[in-house]
Amino acid sequence: DIVMTQSPDSLAVSLGERATIKCKSSQSLLHRTYRETFLAWFQQKPGQPPKPLIYGASTRESGVPDRFSGSGSGTDFTLTISSLQAEDVAVYYCHQYLDAPLTFGGGTKVEIK
Amino acid sequence: EVQLVESGGGLVQPGGSVRLSCAASGFTFNNYWMAWVRQAPGKGPQWVANIKQDGSEKYYVDSVKGRFTISRDNAKNSFYLQMNRLRAEDTGLYYCASGPGWYSNLWGRGTLVTVSS
Repeated sequence: DIVMTQSPDSLAVSLGERATIKCKSSQSLLHRTYRETFLAWFQQKPGQPPKPLIYGASTRESGVPDRFSGSGSGTDFTLTISSLQAEDVAVYYCHQYLDAPLTFGGGTKVEIK
Repeated sequence: EVQLVESGGGLVQPGGSVRLSCAASGFTFNNYWMAWVRQAPGKGPQWVANIKQDGSEKYYVDSVKGRFTISRDNAKNSFYLQMNRLRAEDTGLYYCASGPGWYSNLWGRGTLVTVSS
């Protein structure tokens, strides 16, 4: 199984400041045939299902604000919120969809400092 | 409106069975892989199973193999999760999800399954 390890577990950032979340996979998430990286990021608020933010490591889903960006390749990935807003308080999960069983990271809780 | 709606959850005794359903609308259902993802209270999501567009391929997480069966009915725009020999650790909110390939960018709101005596 591909293990997804996120850091930190929680993060407190001032409004308007940058938040950075790391994710490391136990093996490369580059699909050899499609040459695309099968890594996604989700945001989850209490009482809601996970909301997809990023796929292919760096492509924003439609409607996702451009303050959210994904980067990385191979086994090391980053989700950056460039200017934290109050509505960004949530738990964020990285997720690999390259190989079954599909797996998620343990989550990073983002709060306002 | 593009949406997925789950149903069928409830309180079940250990060793019991339950069948979850997911109704899809607003998109061409038989073009997409479909998946079940669960979330135990206070924990992160855990992928459970997925099924190919024509039902010819199915994949499961090890902890449910031999107990859970995923299926779909493209004529009804629905898919299902038959859950047998349920355990306390199967308790959680079960989401149905779909998307291009194995990536799911459309999620339902979930149905709660509680396994307890």
